Amino acid sequence: DGGITQSPKYLFRKEGQNVTLSCEQNLNHDAMYWYRQDPGQGLRLIYYSQIVNDFQKGDIAEGYSVSREKKESFPLTVTSAQKNPTAFYLCASSKAGGGFYGYTFGSGTRLTVV
Amino acid sequence: GQQLNQSPQSMFIQEGEDVSMNCTSSSIFNTWLWYKQDPGEGPVLLIALYKAGELTSNGRLTAQFGITRKDSFLNISASIPSDVGIYFCAGREGGADGLTFGKGTHLIIQP
Repeated sequence: DGGITQSPKYLFRKEGQNVTLSCEQNLNHDAMYWYRQDPGQGLRLIYYSQIVNDFQKGDIAEGYSVSREKKESFPLTVTSAQKNPTAFYLCASSKAGGGFYGYTFGSGTRLTVV
Repeated sequence: GQQLNQSPQSMFIQEGEDVSMNCTSSSIFNTWLWYKQDPGEGPVLLIALYKAGELTSNGRLTAQFGITRKDSFLNISASIPSDVGIYFCAGREGGADGLTFGKGTHLIIQP
């Protein structure tokens, strides 16, 4: 079955370290998105990509970086510049059309800074 | 980015009660979507709406695309324990790169 896979489910990072969250989809979707979720704050857009080798900053891109070298993959790196990285991170994908048919979400990665 | 106003922020109800929540926007949307998120998981699409006035059901869930195209409503009838979670509305303006999400309604059911 097609779907979107995020790994790992739980991730622990020491302060000052960079860490990369994986997101892979086999839905043949063109667009992919990264969201951050904190309690009571809903979903905040970090980065999105509508085609391979192109991506755009979302509302809270500072301290994060992404790449889109393959259609299926959209990894997110949380850098040491991100001041408060502890959060639940969600990856999503959609057909071309800006989400007209909705997004498919992964099951999330919970990142904790220790 | 633009925000959707979703209310209520949280609901504490008894099992068996009906539930209503809504989202409003300052802009006209051509798509409204409703998602449910279980604890520790990603949101899952419940209902998609594409026409003003459209009323769509999915089991005990019913959603409506407001006739002004600036709001949408979700109703859950006869709530059961597995309805617990966070419900998000999402909308799309014509020509937009993606969806705008509400902040969610946290549904808590007391036995």
